[in-house]
Amino acid sequence: DAKTTQPTSMDCAEGRAANLPCNHSTISGNEYVYWYRQIHSQGPQYIIHGLKNNETNEMASLIITEDRKSSTLILPHATLRDTAVYYCIVRAKETSGSRLTFGEGTQLTVNP
Amino acid sequence: DTGVSQDPRHKITKRGQNVTFRCDPISEHNRLYWYRQTLGQGPEFLTYFQNEAQLEKSRLLSDRFSAERPKGSFSTLEIQRTEQGDSAMYLCASSFRQGKNTGELFFGEGSRLTVL
Repeated sequence: DAKTTQPTSMDCAEGRAANLPCNHSTISGNEYVYWYRQIHSQGPQYIIHGLKNNETNEMASLIITEDRKSSTLILPHATLRDTAVYYCIVRAKETSGSRLTFGEGTQLTVNP
Repeated sequence: DTGVSQDPRHKITKRGQNVTFRCDPISEHNRLYWYRQTLGQGPEFLTYFQNEAQLEKSRLLSDRFSAERPKGSFSTLEIQRTEQGDSAMYLCASSFRQGKNTGELFFGEGSRLTVL
């Protein structure tokens, strides 16, 4: 699975959009970009995933660059409950292992 | 609540003792995973099952660790002769694999182990 690079920490004001970047310059054609988050003392939670098109669901939007070497997770109206560690993971959806390889993620702090 | 449940949530033990954690996945999920997480780090993969078959084990899973999923439903993770370095959060996750597509992983709240 391709390696990802994320900033260690970010801050965001409550009610504003939070834009979390992720670099995955070695991504291959069959690899998807997944985002999970982990609120303190809880297990990770799936947010969204995509291959090359932008994706949106009730939690967030995922913007993937045309060359697929980077992506941005957007929380459109961040709330205090969005304070968490956000993990960007790249893996092939059909990989036989099906494991997720977590990095250290980005600690997002939403401030009142 | 029909999510992934783990038991116990917290366990404090003395070095050298054995501990066992249990995970009950979401009922229709055929894949079950164990991860370990230490403070400030992302979760690290330990092993996973498809139904009752253990398909992959990480090198992190030493001989003191054993995981089972006897009937393809719940799973147990046992650590024998615990060491202080085993202190961590042990996370269980499940997913449903159909054909070539593997769904997203649903995690439990974890079992925190403290070895004194």
